[in-house]
Amino acid sequence: AQTVTQSQPEMSVQEAETVTLSCTYDTSENNYYLFWYKQPPSRQMILVIRQEAYKQQNATENRFSVNFQKAAKSFSLKISDSQLGDTAMYFCAFMKHYGGSQGNLIFGKGTKLSVKP
Amino acid sequence: NAGVTQTPKFRILKIGQSMTLQCTQDMNHNYMYWYRQDPGMGLKLIYYSVGAGITDKGEVPNGYNVSRSTTEDFPLRLELAAPSQTSVYFCARSTPGGLAGGPYEQFFGPGTRLTVL
Repeated sequence: AQTVTQSQPEMSVQEAETVTLSCTYDTSENNYYLFWYKQPPSRQMILVIRQEAYKQQNATENRFSVNFQKAAKSFSLKISDSQLGDTAMYFCAFMKHYGGSQGNLIFGKGTKLSVKP
Repeated sequence: NAGVTQTPKFRILKIGQSMTLQCTQDMNHNYMYWYRQDPGMGLKLIYYSVGAGITDKGEVPNGYNVSRSTTEDFPLRLELAAPSQTSVYFCARSTPGGLAGGPYEQFFGPGTRLTVL
């Protein structure tokens, strides 16, 4: 069975600075996707960034980037130029990919990020 | 609402009561999911469906039932509500692989906060 671990329950960062959230996962699968989801106080789950395991290049979406280390089973999220609107819970998630089908999302417990002015 | 509508937004039930959480999507996607999120935790999969008439259990299915008579609707039924079912419930739909919006992204509804007293 797959597991996702987020070892930082809470973090804080000053506005405009950079912060990195950690995520490790355990799987014997070779084909999978990794995701970071953001959940602001509104409770809405929002996809931040996605990484396909077969791609060596790290995914980037504007101020958000990942450091994907497949051998180490590590998938950290870097937020640059932090903004007050980045304050939220961040969840790392794993999805197995097999054939033309998809598995289900396995979530970590989340990291609560506070951006301070 | 990411193309996923959930009703109601809030509900208080007494122990032993039953209710149905409604979920409707407007994107004609085959994959739909029900998750629950307990305080301080990530989301856990209750049930999922890969198309009309096809459903399967997730990680925490006990105490719940689902049906999928149409592509659009995926209701979650709680029979004999218990305090352990106090949680926030999310419904999600998933893009098919390879289409615009990225492969296998899950779009979440706004959630239903359920309290069982």
